[in-house]
Amino acid sequence: DAGVIQSPRHEVTEMGQEVTLRCKPISGHDYLFWYRQTMMRGLELLIYFNNNVPIDDSGMPEDRFSAKMPNASFSTLKIQPSEPRDSAVYFCASSPQGFYYGYTFGSGTRLTVV
Amino acid sequence: DAKTTQPPSMDCAEGRAANLPCNHSTISGNEYVYWYRQIHSQGPQYIIHGLKNNETNEMASLIITEDRKSSTLILPHATLRDTAVYYCIVRVASLYSGGGADGLTFGKGTHLIIQP
Repeated sequence: DAGVIQSPRHEVTEMGQEVTLRCKPISGHDYLFWYRQTMMRGLELLIYFNNNVPIDDSGMPEDRFSAKMPNASFSTLKIQPSEPRDSAVYFCASSPQGFYYGYTFGSGTRLTVV
Repeated sequence: DAKTTQPPSMDCAEGRAANLPCNHSTISGNEYVYWYRQIHSQGPQYIIHGLKNNETNEMASLIITEDRKSSTLILPHATLRDTAVYYCIVRVASLYSGGGADGLTFGKGTHLIIQP
């Protein structure tokens, strides 16, 4: 199993541009989570999906952020327009159904907005 | 989810057992204790979890006190590669929700440094 795959690994963009981060969860996992990590705020949960349906997006910072999961094998996190304060490492994680499983995280996308 | 308290940092000599404490004095009866770690520049990695019994896997052991108000993660023979931030998280496990109903909330964790 290749694990949770995120792309790109690094993204540098100019303020105001649209940014799309991508995630492929582990096959068979029912849950998908998007996290953001900064030095100041640590790891923050942005949104999570169950069976492709968004369950809780209360962590999404503002309307500039949107996430979709069109099918069980793909999810995107989009920022439009991007701002310098969006610079962070964005992690995707997936998990099977059930509380006796841990989450598997991807390697993250390091986003820099200049 | 209940809050947890962890020391911000700890040192341990290579080859020795690393014992990482976590206080969760307000834990509820249906909350599990999870441990994750994050090695620099990598995503968090699941280590182990438990409800009230001690647990052991290939990575670590988890010791939960009888009153469940605290726990200790034990890395039996620490290596340099175990240097990481270790997060202790308590999380409600609801059978009705299927158990995976909510995202984990990460605190600041303990920065464990393994010394050669």
